[in-house]
Amino acid sequence: EAGVVQSPRYKIIEKKQPVAFWCNPISGHNTLYWYLQNLGQGPELLIRYENEEAVDDSQLPKDRFSAERLKGVDSTLKIQPAELGDSAVYLCASSSLVPQLGESTDTQYFGPGTRLTVL
Amino acid sequence: SQQGEEDPQALSIQEGENATMNCSYKTSINNLQWYRQNSGRGLVHLILIRSNEREKHSGRLRVTLDTSKKSSSLLITASRAADTASYFCATDVRGGSNYKLTFGKGTLLTVNP
Repeated sequence: EAGVVQSPRYKIIEKKQPVAFWCNPISGHNTLYWYLQNLGQGPELLIRYENEEAVDDSQLPKDRFSAERLKGVDSTLKIQPAELGDSAVYLCASSSLVPQLGESTDTQYFGPGTRLTVL
Repeated sequence: SQQGEEDPQALSIQEGENATMNCSYKTSINNLQWYRQNSGRGLVHLILIRSNEREKHSGRLRVTLDTSKKSSSLLITASRAADTASYFCATDVRGGSNYKLTFGKGTLLTVNP
């Protein structure tokens, strides 16, 4: 079974340029997550999708970040314009269950990430 | 903000020794999960322990949870060089229809051959 696929693996851009990341989750997984991971830190959630609906985007800086998950499968995360502080690893993860109240079964499967460097 | 805090930040041991990492958190949880991340790779789920469980085993891994102290520990027995990685605890906090998995900063484990 293929895991979560992300591309590109590495991206170097100059500040103020736009950049986009792509994620293909594990087949059949209806929940998709985008995380930001700074060096020496744990992942921090940016946005969570259940199928094609963004159900938690409270941590997404909406002035420059946008995301979409058309058809509820692949997803793209875009930054426009990029700033120096956006340099980080952007991780995508997926899971197969919609979390229910009282249920605690959500194991997330992560892709390898995209390492973004903004110069 | 990150709810979980791992301790120590870094740990270096010899192959064959046991490694213990601790995680403390602040608010009530539904479950706590441990993940491993090799350098330059994504995170891999290791084990999940529910709030009503106190101890769980998986192969060479042993996880404990003390909800009264809001803490968890991950023990890796008979460590191998391949266990070298960063280890993160993640807390599952649910409120209403919201669900969030919050990660700590991680413990960097180095196992020397």
